[in-house]
Amino acid sequence: GNSVTQMEGPVTLSEEAFLTINCTYTATGYPSLFWYVQYPGEGLQLLLKATKADDKGSNKGFEATYRKETTSFHLEKGSVQVSDSAVYFCALSGSARQLTFGSGTQLTVLP
Amino acid sequence: DTGVSQDPRHKITKRGQNVTFRCDPISEHNRLYWYRQTLGQGPEFLTYFQNEAQLEKSRLLSDRFSAERPKGSFSTLEIQRTEQGDSAMYLCASSFGDRGPGELFFGEGSRLTVL
Repeated sequence: GNSVTQMEGPVTLSEEAFLTINCTYTATGYPSLFWYVQYPGEGLQLLLKATKADDKGSNKGFEATYRKETTSFHLEKGSVQVSDSAVYFCALSGSARQLTFGSGTQLTVLP
Repeated sequence: DTGVSQDPRHKITKRGQNVTFRCDPISEHNRLYWYRQTLGQGPEFLTYFQNEAQLEKSRLLSDRFSAERPKGSFSTLEIQRTEQGDSAMYLCASSFGDRGPGELFFGEGSRLTVL
């Protein structure tokens, strides 16, 4: 079946530091890949997506590239802000109409 | 666009009681999903509706769980004879037909505590 493995947290960074959150997946076929973010007290929000190999999703300064050869979709941001503090979830969508999520990575950015 | 709303936001109940959660999706969205999230884990798929038809159900959805979407608008998730293992956040999400399957709009969730 499908599965997503995420870098374990929590991750604590200083403002303006570089962020990488690792995500690898196992899936049959050609899944679409997503990063969702959950800010404190809010619902999950789609951050970015990629639907085929070598696609790069980007939003709000975050980027992730769909790497089929390494089955990875790592999230990166060049300079994090305090407002980026949240829980980040990697997810995939296969042939069924459901998302398979990773366990989430808590990010705290200190001023 | 008022977003996906869920009610109640918190529910504390005793083991063996029945509970019902309601989800109001974004008005033009024809697809509605229920997920369950336990502490420290990502959401797990429970079930999916397209309009009023329940098209997919997870094996996680035991016979104590039932979901409905009678008029293709709001949905309810009922848990009968609750157990302590049912304690979790129950998330509702919706999407519009011609968006990709993963582009969901989530509500803030209904947290269930079973004592």
